[in-house]
Amino acid sequence: NAGVTQTPKFQVLKTGQSMTLQCAQDMNHEYMSWYRQDPGMGLRLIHYSVGAGITDQGEVPNGYNVSRSTTEDFPLRLLSAAPSQTSVYFCASSRRRGEGQPQHFGDGTRLSIL
Amino acid sequence: GNSVTQMEGPVTLSEEAFLTINCTYTATGYPSLFWYVQYPGEGLQLLLKATKADDKGSNKGFEATYRKETTSFHLEKGSVQVSDSAVYFCALYNFNKFYFGSGTKLNVKP
Repeated sequence: NAGVTQTPKFQVLKTGQSMTLQCAQDMNHEYMSWYRQDPGMGLRLIHYSVGAGITDQGEVPNGYNVSRSTTEDFPLRLLSAAPSQTSVYFCASSRRRGEGQPQHFGDGTRLSIL
Repeated sequence: GNSVTQMEGPVTLSEEAFLTINCTYTATGYPSLFWYVQYPGEGLQLLLKATKADDKGSNKGFEATYRKETTSFHLEKGSVQVSDSAVYFCALYNFNKFYFGSGTKLNVKP
């Protein structure tokens, strides 16, 4: 049971570099989302998608891009990394039909920007 | 707007003590409410949920009741175990977005 798979688990970048965090789910979930987790601030929504070809902004979208070309994959791109983007990033997915569908989370990507 | 406020931690209890972690929310419309648990180095796992007013979610001895009149969803457990030590997050879902509280760390001592 793979569930939600995030890669890489750890990454160190230099300021100004770009990279893509990968997220894949094998549960045929329509809804996928990216969060960042910072100490004392819980999880904050970066971007989300309600289905292939549809994405929208969350609470903290600046500096990040997403696309959803397939149901399974939802990559998060950092365009020009900044130290303020040092965080733990979580991808999650859920069924969309009906309210109250719980999210399934990946194990996270710990990202450090130097 | 939509937001979740939960009590600050850490909360330290002895084994078999009673647990309450307070959660209140602000939302328009009729959100769904959740409690998630996070163990060190892992992602969040669903603990319980409630989708409408007066619903009670329960799982593994934990309970929470969706109180619309007080906009609350407090988490309770009658007798905690050392294995319950983790960070607990209250969350709401409304209009395609999830909103999380800041988390409450629970430490249970033998």
